Amino acid sequence: EPEVTQTPSHQVTQMGQEVILRCVPISNHLYFYWYRQILGQKVEFLVSFYNNEISEKSEIFDDQFSVERPDGSNFTLKIRSTKLEDSAMYFCASRRQGSNYGYTFGSGTRLTVV
Amino acid sequence: GNSVTQMEGPVTLSEEAFLTINCTYTATGYPSLFWYVQYPGEGLQLLLKATKADDKGSNKGFEATYRKETTSFHLEKGSVQVSDSAVYFCALTLLQGAQKLVFGQGTRLTINP
Repeated sequence: EPEVTQTPSHQVTQMGQEVILRCVPISNHLYFYWYRQILGQKVEFLVSFYNNEISEKSEIFDDQFSVERPDGSNFTLKIRSTKLEDSAMYFCASRRQGSNYGYTFGSGTRLTVV
Repeated sequence: GNSVTQMEGPVTLSEEAFLTINCTYTATGYPSLFWYVQYPGEGLQLLLKATKADDKGSNKGFEATYRKETTSFHLEKGSVQVSDSAVYFCALTLLQGAQKLVFGQGTRLTINP
């Protein structure tokens, strides 16, 4: 069964550093998403992406965040200057076009900011 | 806006007990409803879904029925196992265009042998 692949599985970074989280969505999917989950808490929407542009973003997704689909297969989330409170599990998801298809999530990247 | 409310956890049961995790929603339009499960240290896995009123989603012995009249999608299982211990998330979306999935707060379930 096709999977959404996320790398790395765990990243530790120093406060103020830039990080890029990578995702390879399923190849025939058209809609892409990033979510985050602070340890033990709710899964929060960050951003949705379609047709090479952001469709919707939450209030969490401020100027420190950006997304890109640089080569037609990867989908990246960049945090420019990490803060301690950015420590969380980040999930990528993708979905096919059409109302009968659900969302497939990757296994996540655990980001630890120290 | 669209939102999902789940019963407060944690929930602790003995093996073979009956499980209900309540989920109610608020939505404009006609949402599709989902249950996702997160096992310890893992990502989110789709457990079951229902796309229209009165649909019943089922998987691995779990069931949930889309009740439009009560705006609910309660998760049930007749006899739980230790391996069902996980966090369960109810979620909804309008499945139109790039619509996002909106999650409830999650319910942690622990099954004791």
